[in-house]
Amino acid sequence: GESVGLHLPTLSVQEGDNSIINCAYSNSASDYFIWYKQESGKGPQFIIDIRSNMDKRQGQRVTVLLNKTVKHLSLQIAATQPGDSAVYFCAASFYGQNFVFGPGTRLSVLP
Amino acid sequence: DAGVIQSPRHEVTEMGQEVTLRCKPISGHDYLFWYRQTMMRGLELLIYFNNNVPIDDSGMPEDRFSAKMPNASFSTLKIQPSEPRDSAVYFCASSLRASGYEQYFGPGTRLTVT
Repeated sequence: GESVGLHLPTLSVQEGDNSIINCAYSNSASDYFIWYKQESGKGPQFIIDIRSNMDKRQGQRVTVLLNKTVKHLSLQIAATQPGDSAVYFCAASFYGQNFVFGPGTRLSVLP
Repeated sequence: DAGVIQSPRHEVTEMGQEVTLRCKPISGHDYLFWYRQTMMRGLELLIYFNNNVPIDDSGMPEDRFSAKMPNASFSTLKIQPSEPRDSAVYFCASSLRASGYEQYFGPGTRLTVT
């Protein structure tokens, strides 16, 4: 079955620096991926998604990179702000079904 | 829209009791998902519905768990009897497939079974 993991459980960055959060998935059939942000006491909030026919997608201050060869994706946050402090999850699915979430990375932004 | 609504926000119950969690998806959404989140196992998909019909319940841990969606605006997740290991945060999420696969999560119900 699918499993999704993260390379680091915690990440601390200085305010203003760029953040990179990594994620690996196991099922090569996965064709859709999402990054979520979860703040304390709240449900996950959609950040950005990418389909397997793309290798890069950009949003506002965020970029997701997908490397299907090594089954790896990353989330890049530019000019990290205090409000970016949260737990970030990646999730993988096939055709938008049976999403499998990674364990999450806690991002702490240092002043 | 108010977003996905879940109730109660917190539930404390004793082992052996029945627990019912409720969810109101975003109006017009055709998919509804139930997730469980724990520190040890992270976010796990329990079951999801399409147009009120259960599609995949392979994530439901055991027969003590059941979920229903009697109409497009309401779903329940029931645990009977509850056990301490069921303690977790339970999330409901909904999506509109025509708009993509993005899921909108509710605030969650924190369940504590003593």
